[in-house]
Amino acid sequence: DIQMTQSPSSLSASVGDRVTITCRAGQTINNFLNWYQQKPGKAPNLLIFAASRLQSGVPSRFSGSGSGTDFTLTISSLQPEDFATYYCQQSFSSRTFGQGTKLEIK
Amino acid sequence: EVQLVETGGGLIQPGGSLRLSCAASGFTVSSNFMSWVRQAPGKGLEWLSVIYSGGGSTYYADSVKGRFTISRDNSKNTLFLQMNSLRADDTAVYYCARARILAGSYDYFDYWGQGTLVTVSS
Repeated sequence: DIQMTQSPSSLSASVGDRVTITCRAGQTINNFLNWYQQKPGKAPNLLIFAASRLQSGVPSRFSGSGSGTDFTLTISSLQPEDFATYYCQQSFSSRTFGQGTKLEIK
Repeated sequence: EVQLVETGGGLIQPGGSLRLSCAASGFTVSSNFMSWVRQAPGKGLEWLSVIYSGGGSTYYADSVKGRFTISRDNSKNTLFLQMNSLRADDTAVYYCARARILAGSYDYFDYWGQGTLVTVSS
């Protein structure tokens, strides 16, 4: 199985901040990398697929980049509704999720 | 409107069996890749299984291979997860998810159900 490692595991930030979350794959996965947001008690919500493609309806302050083994999710200006847990996920070989990054209010 | 509704969760003793259902509306289950994903209390997401469109090839995570079986009923537009030999560490919220295919078998989960809680305890 391909291991996915996110950093940091948790992050404190303020409204308006620019935030970057990193995801590293244990082997190359081309650009087969997706990002999800999950709020407490809710199902995950797709933000980004194929590393950099914004899912329909997702605000443009979310962006993704990377290829190969290293990927980033960037939120350009944090909004109150963005405080949540974020997961990366690969589907290059089977499917695995990162351990999650909890984004908290500072 | 695409909707996924999971049912069938509950309290089950270790070693027992349970079948989860995921009723879909707004799209055809058999024309899409469909997956099950779970989340243990306070933990992250774990992919469990996928059933491919058409012929219905199935694949599993090592953690559930041989114990869980994914299937679908095309006439009911419903996805299932048969879970046998349940253990305490299978306790989790179980989600079904529709997968969109970008290329080959590369997919991403664009719709999720609300989840159903399975608790394995004596």
